[in-house]
Amino acid sequence: NAGVMQNPRHLVRRRGQEARLRCSPMKGHSHVYWYRQLPEEGLKFMVYLQKENIIDESGMPKERFSAEFPKEGPSILRIQQVVRGDSAAYFCASSPAWAQETQYFGPGTRLLVL
Amino acid sequence: AQSVAQPEDQVNVAEGNPLTVKCTYSVSGNPYLFWYVQYPNRGLQFLLKYITGDNLVKGSYGFEAEFNKSQTSFHLKKPSALVSDSALYFCAVRGLYSSASKIIFGSGTRLSIRP
Repeated sequence: NAGVMQNPRHLVRRRGQEARLRCSPMKGHSHVYWYRQLPEEGLKFMVYLQKENIIDESGMPKERFSAEFPKEGPSILRIQQVVRGDSAAYFCASSPAWAQETQYFGPGTRLLVL
Repeated sequence: AQSVAQPEDQVNVAEGNPLTVKCTYSVSGNPYLFWYVQYPNRGLQFLLKYITGDNLVKGSYGFEAEFNKSQTSFHLKKPSALVSDSALYFCAVRGLYSSASKIIFGSGTRLSIRP
């Protein structure tokens, strides 16, 4: 059983470009969470999704950021018109519907905005 | 409001000695408590959790944590440290009846084990 998969592992963008981060949850997991981690800091919650539904996006910046978890395919975190302050590690986690209290994390995508 | 504090940015221990990484929390009602470990350039790995039951919880790699309700603490411990335990450790908390998304992570403690 493969763990949570994220790609790309590293992403370099210039200011103003778009960044797309992908997350495939563990097999059988229907809940996905996105977090952002700045250097030497803890994880900050961004958004919680189930298939085709955004459950909680209270941690998402109001502009430029969006997330989806379609019926088929991975969850996507999209950052439009990136700025240098978006440089961070973005982690995805997943959990099954019957044990939502434990989240399993992917290896992360490290975004660098030049 | 939920919060979790890891008062030590760094903990240094000699190999073979016991280690403790401290965590205190604040949550309405009963808590879910977690410890995760992060190795360089990797995601977080789940170590252990407390939901209910015995106050002493055993987890992966020989780690354990003790839930202390009166002190609102959930310190991570290991009887004999290994150099390979060197990593960044995160404590996390969620209220028992909170949404699954409302997990709050501490700022992390860097554990350094010297040979």
